[in-house]
Amino acid sequence: EVQVVESGGGLVQPGGSLRLSCSASGFTFSTSSMHWVRQAPSKGLEYVSGISSNGRATYYAESVKGRFTISRDNSKNTLHLQMSSLTTEDTAVYYCVKDGYRGWFDTWGQGRQVTVSS
Amino acid sequence: EIVLTQSPGTLSLSPGERATLSCRATQSVTGNFLAWYRHKPGQAPRLLIYGASSRATGIPDRFSGSGSGTDFTLTISGLEPEDFAVYYCQQYHTAPPYTFGQGTRLEIK
Repeated sequence: EVQVVESGGGLVQPGGSLRLSCSASGFTFSTSSMHWVRQAPSKGLEYVSGISSNGRATYYAESVKGRFTISRDNSKNTLHLQMSSLTTEDTAVYYCVKDGYRGWFDTWGQGRQVTVSS
Repeated sequence: EIVLTQSPGTLSLSPGERATLSCRATQSVTGNFLAWYRHKPGQAPRLLIYGASSRATGIPDRFSGSGSGTDFTLTISGLEPEDFAVYYCQQYHTAPPYTFGQGTRLEIK
C-alpha cells in the first residue's frame, strides 16, 4: 500500500522553530517528487513547498520562502520540513504529499497539526 | 502566478442529483494540467481527476472532468452521501509553487 505518514509538529511560540517529517512506504520514494501542503483553520488548501526526486530542486511559496527548508533522505524514504521564524499565520494542518508524476498529488498523509501561539 | 477561482462557493443539492463545479484560471493552463480533489472534514484530501479529465485510481465513473484553457468543470452524476464535502481544483501547469482554487463546499439540501 502506498502510504505517507507525517510526524513532528505541535505547539510552538511565535519566532520559534519546528520540524516535520514524513515517512514513505509502498512506492519508490527516490523517483518521486514530494511536497507539503497546508490548511489553516477555516481556510482552503495552500501549497507550501516541494522537492524533486533527487533533492536538487526545491520550491517554496512566497509566504514561507527564507523561513522554511525542505529536504529529503532517499536512503531512509523520509521527507522533512524545517520551519523557523514561525508566526501565527503558519498555524495549520500540514500534509505530506506524493507527486503523481507531473504535478498532481496522488497520495496524501493524514496531516499534522502545527500551532503557533504564545 | 495562475490564480484559480472556483464557483459556486457553496452548492446545495440532494443525494442522487447532479453537481457541476467550475474552476476558472487567470491564464491558460496549457496541457490541461489541472486536478480536482475531494476533502472531507478530518480526512486527507483525495485525488479525483488529473489532466483535467482522467479519473484517478479507484474513483467511480460518476466523477468526470472536462474543460481546457482557462475553464474547467467537475461533474458528479448521482450524488452519494460521501460526496458532500469540499472540492478543490489545482493547477500544475507552471513549475511549483502550484496553486489551488479556494474550494467549493457541496452540502446536503
